[in-house]
Amino acid sequence: AQSVTQPDIHITVSEGASLELRCNYSYGATPYLFWYVQSPGQGLQLLLKYFSGDTLVQGIKGFEAEFKRSQSSFNLRKPSVHWSDAAEYFCAVVGDYKLSFGAGTTVTVRA
Amino acid sequence: DTGVSQDPRHKITKRGQNVTFRCDPISEHNRLYWYRQTLGQGPEFLTYFQNEAQLEKSRLLSDRFSAERPKGSFSTLEIQRTEQGDSAMYLCASSLVQGTDTQYFGPGTRLTVL
Repeated sequence: AQSVTQPDIHITVSEGASLELRCNYSYGATPYLFWYVQSPGQGLQLLLKYFSGDTLVQGIKGFEAEFKRSQSSFNLRKPSVHWSDAAEYFCAVVGDYKLSFGAGTTVTVRA
Repeated sequence: DTGVSQDPRHKITKRGQNVTFRCDPISEHNRLYWYRQTLGQGPEFLTYFQNEAQLEKSRLLSDRFSAERPKGSFSTLEIQRTEQGDSAMYLCASSLVQGTDTQYFGPGTRLTVL
């Protein structure tokens, strides 16, 4: 069965600084990978996805992620964080049509 | 193009009561999913439909839970005899079978069982 690990429970970053969120997956075949963002009390918004092809994928809000098969990783990055990026971020892998999520990383942005 | 909608957004109920939630998917999407999210955790899969057929149910979905999608459009999730452990955010998502089958989520229904 597929699984996702997000090693960082909470990250604090200064506004304007870069951000990297880690994601490691376990899946037998070529994975379909996703990053979602969730603001407090809200549903999940899709940031970006990887299915095949270019291992560096661009998403909304200036985010990008890089798929590294050798490391079973799909890390999310943003060069310059804005205060509005404070939220919880979830990495997910799809298997048998359903998503398996990591436990999430909470991002706090300080002024 | 409207997104996935869920109703109600919040529900407070007493233990032992029945509750029902509704999900309206994106109009052309033929797959519909229910997930449950407890505090500090990622969402966990409950069940999914392709058109009106319920194709898979998680072991998390006890006998007190039932989901329907009678006409292949909206779906309902009912919880009977609610327990405090049912308190969670219930998320609905939909996708189109063709192409990448990306799941798009609704805003969720926050259930609090007193």
